Amino acid sequence: KNQVEQSPQSLIILEGKNCTLQCNYTVSPFSNLRWYKQDTGRGPVSLTIMTFSENTKSNGRYTATLDADTKQSSLHITASQLSDSASYICVVSLPNDYKLSFGAGTTVTVRA
Amino acid sequence: NAGVMQNPRHLVRRRGQEARLRCSPMKGHSHVYWYRQLPEEGLKFMVYLQKENIIDESGMPKERFSAEFPKEGPSILRIQQVVRGDSAAYFCASSPPVGYEQYFGPGTRLTVT
Repeated sequence: KNQVEQSPQSLIILEGKNCTLQCNYTVSPFSNLRWYKQDTGRGPVSLTIMTFSENTKSNGRYTATLDADTKQSSLHITASQLSDSASYICVVSLPNDYKLSFGAGTTVTVRA
Repeated sequence: NAGVMQNPRHLVRRRGQEARLRCSPMKGHSHVYWYRQLPEEGLKFMVYLQKENIIDESGMPKERFSAEFPKEGPSILRIQQVVRGDSAAYFCASSPPVGYEQYFGPGTRLTVT
């Protein structure tokens, strides 16, 4: 069973609207939780990094939240743009460990 | 400062041929990681290398797959006698000597016909 589960698998939103992506993890204890953006045909690019003691982290129109008690994280995209169309991947790592546990990603399509 | 570079970006091989994937880490990075991504799945760890050393190859199939990171030149992921199931995107990441923050390359898409 994957240790990082994401939902929904995909979603379509209109340009200018907001959306929220979910991530549930079972990796424990964990060190960092990252959200990556992966454009089609490209490698993942880091959006946010949170330690277990952080509740929220923002990067422009992207805001990530973390609830370490329930082992849930979310990524909120505000005022979506066409360039936000991509796969968004939740990644968890163990303390002092190079191994990353990847979710399967949520594919976001922004339509004009 | 160029990012992580991978080549080729696309590679087509017939069953039974060999595939060689190259990865040049970011300047100053001495650690390299290889991942495989199958369609609709998350990236899966394959191998972690430092210069001239394999640190962890627990995610790599025991047969047909090998990786190296020589003192000079790029890291190479080698797949011998490819089969259709090897078709996937292979990503390389690198990190600096201290810390494990990984930066990903654009990937090589291998298609086995």
